[in-house]
Amino acid sequence: DSGVTQTPKHLITATGQRVTLRCSPRSGDLSVYWYQQSLDQGLQFLIQYYNGEERAKGNILERFSAQQFPDLHSELNLSSLELGDSALYFCASSATPRAGDSPLHFGNGTRLTVT
Amino acid sequence: QKEVEQDPGPLSVPEGAIVSLNCTYSNSAFQYFMWYRQYSRKGPELLMYTYSSGNKEDGRFTAQVDKSSKYISLFIRDSQPSDSATYLCATDSGGGADGLTFGKGTHLIIQP
Repeated sequence: DSGVTQTPKHLITATGQRVTLRCSPRSGDLSVYWYQQSLDQGLQFLIQYYNGEERAKGNILERFSAQQFPDLHSELNLSSLELGDSALYFCASSATPRAGDSPLHFGNGTRLTVT
Repeated sequence: QKEVEQDPGPLSVPEGAIVSLNCTYSNSAFQYFMWYRQYSRKGPELLMYTYSSGNKEDGRFTAQVDKSSKYISLFIRDSQPSDSATYLCATDSGGGADGLTFGKGTHLIIQP
């Protein structure tokens, strides 16, 4: 068990809808990362928060947004959903602000299916 | 050229064999190298975390980094059917502000 908790495990929704994915990091970790994993693209970095502030942005679409709350849990909001957004969404946490300075620990992901 | 390249496999070997998994990377600024194991429908699980060149051993697993050739390897000794999974290599951003960069993963099958 990595200590990173993601909910829900599965989400099925229709095109055009909006969903929220939730992540609780490991105890003591201040950094939260969001990744998208699809069969053809592998793990793609979306966005990182450190201690409540956005720190880095990757390949995140404008329809997607995230935030980290004072208790350090994070939410990823996906709106105007398209079929191509169907994927596994992973949250990871680490102790330091810079990726690599300390290892990332992943949750078990949320499987999003857009129909 | 992708930043981290990894053969997707599948790689199938008999139980007890030594497995060698490899990645190449393009950016000489990368300093931290990781190997993750991912079972189907689960999140990536950290196996090895190394800094710069050299070897690191943990039980049946050995990670090797050769920065001169930009080549990273994971060796699994006495492979078990429970080692069947997808193995992902990852690097840091070389001082940039991005998250880790992952290879696409190698699917490993250990035949009993």
